[in-house]
Amino acid sequence: QVQLQESGPGLVKPSETLSLTCTVSGGSVSSGSYYWSWIRQPPGKGLEWIGYIFYSGGTNYNPSLKSRVTISLDTSKNHLSLDLDSVTAADTALYYCARVPETWELIPGAYDIWGQGALVTVSS
Amino acid sequence: SYVLTQPSSVSVAPGQTATITCGGDNIGSKRVHWYQQKPGQAPVLVVYDDSDRPSGIPERFSGSNSGNTATLTISRVEAGDEADFYCQVWDDIVDQSVFGGGTKLTVL
Repeated sequence: QVQLQESGPGLVKPSETLSLTCTVSGGSVSSGSYYWSWIRQPPGKGLEWIGYIFYSGGTNYNPSLKSRVTISLDTSKNHLSLDLDSVTAADTALYYCARVPETWELIPGAYDIWGQGALVTVSS
Repeated sequence: SYVLTQPSSVSVAPGQTATITCGGDNIGSKRVHWYQQKPGQAPVLVVYDDSDRPSGIPERFSGSNSGNTATLTISRVEAGDEADFYCQVWDDIVDQSVFGGGTKLTVL
């Protein structure tokens, strides 16, 4: 059974880069047609899509974050990473990684597997 | 960008039926997915592709989608169903994932 686990610093200073890793167990990030995604949730608020990386390496990002976000895959370590540059307090959130299968229509389906989330606080 | 609108809260007595709506422009043309998030936990997929249930999700959870409104229906509501519920679609025109603002289900 595939499981996802986020990890990374819980505290980041303003203007620095937030870096998180999502380790995939029970499956390979490079097998099957999946979109590996990052989603965040500010405290007490709703879900916000950050972006995804397709198993073949293609990426797509939320336009509101696109200038600051990089999502990458490391097939040797079987994980995906998130880098968010120039963070502010508004980036304080619980960050989730999630898997999305590609449908027969060759578009993303639903987020079928989620990690438990990693809380990142931006503060000096 | 595509917008999904959900009521902020829905309240229902145990044993009754809860209905949570998700409004969007011609949402009936898109595949809608629903997630349940209990306090302190990650979201869990409860309905996908408008009306299908993942393995392990009770039949009490059902969905429909037509016109400008998608609906999640929870029959015979239990205290353990209390949670936040989010609808989600992929805006295939711009290839972006969109979430509704979430609905807090309270079981009275």
